[in-house]
Amino acid sequence: EAQVTQNPRYLITVTGKKLTVTCSQNMNHEYMSWYRQDPGLGLRQIYYSMNVEVTDKGDVPEGYKVSRKEKRNFPLILESPSPNQTSLYFCASRITSGAPNEQFFGPGTRLTVL
Amino acid sequence: SQELEQSPQSLIVQEGKNLTINCTSSKTLYGLYWYKQKYGEGLIFLMMLQKGGEEKSHEKITAKLDEKKQQSSLHITASQPSHAGIYLCGADPLNFNKFYFGSGTKLNVKP
Repeated sequence: EAQVTQNPRYLITVTGKKLTVTCSQNMNHEYMSWYRQDPGLGLRQIYYSMNVEVTDKGDVPEGYKVSRKEKRNFPLILESPSPNQTSLYFCASRITSGAPNEQFFGPGTRLTVL
Repeated sequence: SQELEQSPQSLIVQEGKNLTINCTSSKTLYGLYWYKQKYGEGLIFLMMLQKGGEEKSHEKITAKLDEKKQQSSLHITASQPSHAGIYLCGADPLNFNKFYFGSGTKLNVKP
């Protein structure tokens, strides 16, 4: 089944404790992206990757890191989480064709930073 | 950056009524997407529009992209409780790298 998976689905952590949220897709998509969703602010793009070893900042990259060493994986790293990073996070992937095409979303990771 | 304004922010309708949600862009839309989200859950892709004047339908949901490609509307006919959720429009900029979402429209359908 074609899908985007994220782990963990739920995470409660404390300020400053490094964490990684994994994202994996099995559709051989070049493009992958991370978003956060907050009430009243909608979904905002954190980072995106056009292909392996190619990453770039979205609109809200502060406090986050990403890497794209393999095509299927795109982990989101919070080196020193803070309470303002409490949010619902989504990973997504799509093909890169220079034309509009659908993004496939993971189920989301609900992160709480105390 | 591309800004997407959605209206209304929330909507409560009686079951069976029609409704329309609008998405207006500050720049030309190269790809316009509609997603639905159940509260706190993942996004479900509804439709994608790319050509000015394009209209697509799926079951009782119809989406249109205006000729100038700066506004899209999502119309639900004879709403049902299963239509309840958050509707989000999303857009591609010219070079298809970043992606932008509107702030969403919360829809409640009263039985």
